Amino acid sequence: GESVGLHLPTLSVQEGDNSIINCAYSNSASDYFIWYKQESGKGPQFIIDIRSNMDKRQGQRVTVLLNKTVKHLSLQIAATQPGDSAVYFCAEIRSGGSNYKLTFGKGTLLTVNP
Amino acid sequence: DVKVTQSSRYLVKRTGEKVFLECVQDMDHENMFWYRQDPGLGLRLIYFSYDVKMKEKGDIPEGYSVSREKKERFSLILESASTNQTSMYLCASSDPWTGMTEAFFGQGTRLTVV
Repeated sequence: GESVGLHLPTLSVQEGDNSIINCAYSNSASDYFIWYKQESGKGPQFIIDIRSNMDKRQGQRVTVLLNKTVKHLSLQIAATQPGDSAVYFCAEIRSGGSNYKLTFGKGTLLTVNP
Repeated sequence: DVKVTQSSRYLVKRTGEKVFLECVQDMDHENMFWYRQDPGLGLRLIYFSYDVKMKEKGDIPEGYSVSREKKERFSLILESASTNQTSMYLCASSDPWTGMTEAFFGQGTRLTVV
């Protein structure tokens, strides 16, 4: 079964508001959790990652929070802009020796209203 | 810039045909991945490879095989195409030593099996 999943398939926010996209996972053996953004007609693009032994990491306008107690991951986008409209995927990496299995959740569609 | 190139954007094949989807990356990455993307199901991992001639099954390998004879090229093979293999196929690559969490994706191949 799929280890990485999402609470909500769609999210609609007003331009300028903060967005929070959530993700639940079931496998405690993951090494990293990652967020990807996919715009229409393009392949997914890396946004930010967090190592499994951390609980918070910040990037430019984005923050990822990891709560290992409840196996929950979130992506916060500050001051959401129309260009942030996309599908967001959480993903995980599990390493096994020299190979790294990268698996994705189902995705959340973020729509930013002007 | 890393470039991952998939040989076709759109492909139409008949049921029972043998189909080859080609993917080439130009950054000397060791990891390569094949996913299929379907509405509501996100990206599902078919196969991945961490070195030449090395391959690992992903979550949905049935009906597919792969080939990695050269480091830069990772091919996905549909031995006998079926209509349920109509999908968007995405190839990705990553470097396990400098950025395993940042996979670079191609533009995708939309395959229709009729």
